[in-house]
Amino acid sequence: AQKITQTQPGMFVQEKEAVTLDCTYDTSDQSYGLFWYKQPSSGEMIFLIYQGSYDEQNATEGRYSLNFQKARKSANLVISASQLGDSAMYFCAMIPGRGGGNKLTFGTGTQLKVEL
Amino acid sequence: DVKVTQSSRYLVKRTGEKVFLECVQDMDHENMFWYRQDPGLGLRLIYFSYDVKMKEKGDIPEGYSVSREKKERFSLILESASTNQTSMYLCASSLAGDRVNEKLFFGSGTQLSVL
Repeated sequence: AQKITQTQPGMFVQEKEAVTLDCTYDTSDQSYGLFWYKQPSSGEMIFLIYQGSYDEQNATEGRYSLNFQKARKSANLVISASQLGDSAMYFCAMIPGRGGGNKLTFGTGTQLKVEL
Repeated sequence: DVKVTQSSRYLVKRTGEKVFLECVQDMDHENMFWYRQDPGLGLRLIYFSYDVKMKEKGDIPEGYSVSREKKERFSLILESASTNQTSMYLCASSLAGDRVNEKLFFGSGTQLSVL
């Protein structure tokens, strides 16, 4: 079975600084996909970034980058130049590679607050 | 623009009532999902459907059933609502298949309170 662990229930960061949100995962599959979603107070889940297990480069999407360390089974999200609008809940998630049917397994989330 | 619409943002029901949560997607996606979100537990999969009239149990199906009569609509049913089903419910959809890079599109969620 797959498992996603997010050990930071809450994080604070100053505006314009970078912040790293931790995510570790456990799977026996060789092929899998890792995702980060953002959930603002409005409730909608917003896709941020994707990393495939066979991708050699770390994924980047604008101010978001994913620090993928396969041997350590970690997929940390780095947000550069934090903005007030980045305050939200962030979820790490995984799709397994065998018969997963696109079913996402989620971590427990990290509540990020950006301060002036 | 892709859209997953959940019929209610907030819902209040009484214990023992039969509750229907509706979800509609306009992206012609084959896969649809119902998740439940609770503080400290993240999102947990209740049921998913990979085709019309097809369904598969997720991690926490007890107390729930689903219906998918049309491709675009996926309903979550609480046969007899209980207070421990008070939660945020999120619907999602994705394209068909088993690809690990297929992202899910989510609705805005329904906050259900069972009194």
